[in-house]
Amino acid sequence: GENVEQHPSTLSVQEGDSAVIKCTYSDSASNYFPWYKQELGKGPQLIIDIRSNVGEKKDQRIAVTLNKTAKHFSLHITETQPEDSAVYFCAARWGGGADGLTFGKGTHLIIQP
Amino acid sequence: DAGVIQSPRHEVTEMGQEVTLRCKPISGHDYLFWYRQTMMRGLELLIYFNNNVPIDDSGMPEDRFSAKMPNASFSTLKIQPSEPRDSAVYFCASSLQGFNYEQYFGPGTRLTVT
Repeated sequence: GENVEQHPSTLSVQEGDSAVIKCTYSDSASNYFPWYKQELGKGPQLIIDIRSNVGEKKDQRIAVTLNKTAKHFSLHITETQPEDSAVYFCAARWGGGADGLTFGKGTHLIIQP
Repeated sequence: DAGVIQSPRHEVTEMGQEVTLRCKPISGHDYLFWYRQTMMRGLELLIYFNNNVPIDDSGMPEDRFSAKMPNASFSTLKIQPSEPRDSAVYFCASSLQGFNYEQYFGPGTRLTVT
């Protein structure tokens, strides 16, 4: 099965600065990589996703990059705001026949005012 | 749409008791997923359904766990008997087209087994 490593586990940045969260995956056949944001007391919510035929995708202040050769993908948040404070999860979908998503352990992003 | 609905939001029970968690997916979604979230293991897929049929239950920890989906608008996850190590937040999610598309998560059920 797939194995997803996510770093860092906690990230503190000043408001207005950029934040980068990185993930690596093990299964070279994985083809779908979503990022979820989880606020306290709520379920995860998809914020952006990328498929294996694309190297980068951007949505306003959020961008995701994918390096298939190195098997890693990253979430970039620019001009961070207090409402960006949350736990962020990366995930990868197995490409080897099973259907499931494997999630990273999460990054607690703290935006300092 | 009201989103994915889960009940109860919190459940506290004693070891050995039966626990039933409930989920109502978003209308029209034909995939339903049950996840468990703990600090140690993160977010784990337990089982998922497609058109009310269980497709993969390999994530179900053991025979004490069972899940059903009697119709397109309702699913249950049952633990019998419950144990303290089952304490976690259980999420239900639904999707229109499976794993390669957005999964909409419910608010979760926080289960505490004493």
